[in-house]
Amino acid sequence: DVKVTQSSRYLVKRTGEKVFLECVQDMDHENMFWYRQDPGLGLRLIYFSYDVKMKEKGDIPEGYSVSREKKERFSLILESASTNQTSMYLCASSSGQGGDEQYFGPGTRLTVT
Amino acid sequence: AQTVTQSQPEMSVQEAETVTLSCTYDTSESDYYLFWYKQPPSRQMILVIRQEAYKQQNATENRFSVNFQKAAKSFSLKISDSQLGDAAMYFCAYRSEFLGGSNYKLTFGKGTLLTVNP
Repeated sequence: DVKVTQSSRYLVKRTGEKVFLECVQDMDHENMFWYRQDPGLGLRLIYFSYDVKMKEKGDIPEGYSVSREKKERFSLILESASTNQTSMYLCASSSGQGGDEQYFGPGTRLTVT
Repeated sequence: AQTVTQSQPEMSVQEAETVTLSCTYDTSESDYYLFWYKQPPSRQMILVIRQEAYKQQNATENRFSVNFQKAAKSFSLKISDSQLGDAAMYFCAYRSEFLGGSNYKLTFGKGTLLTVNP
């Protein structure tokens, strides 16, 4: 079974802090994604990566950056956390082949105070 | 750009009954994939069912089936014999068939919260 893990289920940070959210997948997937999920807004794509060291902006990249130094690991970075970044963050991965599904991690609920 | 619309923020169904969740989408592409994902409370999002646009036959997975109307750009999910474990947020999603770059991404609807009453 594909497994996507995220470093924390719950995280509380202060405004202005630098925040790292880590995601690891164990299926040698090419593609990895970061979404944020907010009530009434569904899932919105922040960034994705289709290869090591390759990244593309999603729909809401402002205030975020990413890093993918190894194929299995994709990090989301909040350079200076703000209260409007309080949200659920979901990581996903996919093989990139045909009609492949995305496999999701359990999510990190980030609260910025 | 593609958009996905789920017009029912919340739905409820009695246990053992049938419920249909609606999804419409907008695209100029002729080949694509459509998905329904399920997110149970405090649990991981999982794939329920997938439909390839070039297939006329509606996808079925056990108690879950879709009604795919390509011309109408409609993709509804039917859950038969509803069970308490079906209670979840359901998301409809679209993905282009063409691989590469931004086409790998999924475009999600805002979700429908399904409640199953015993």
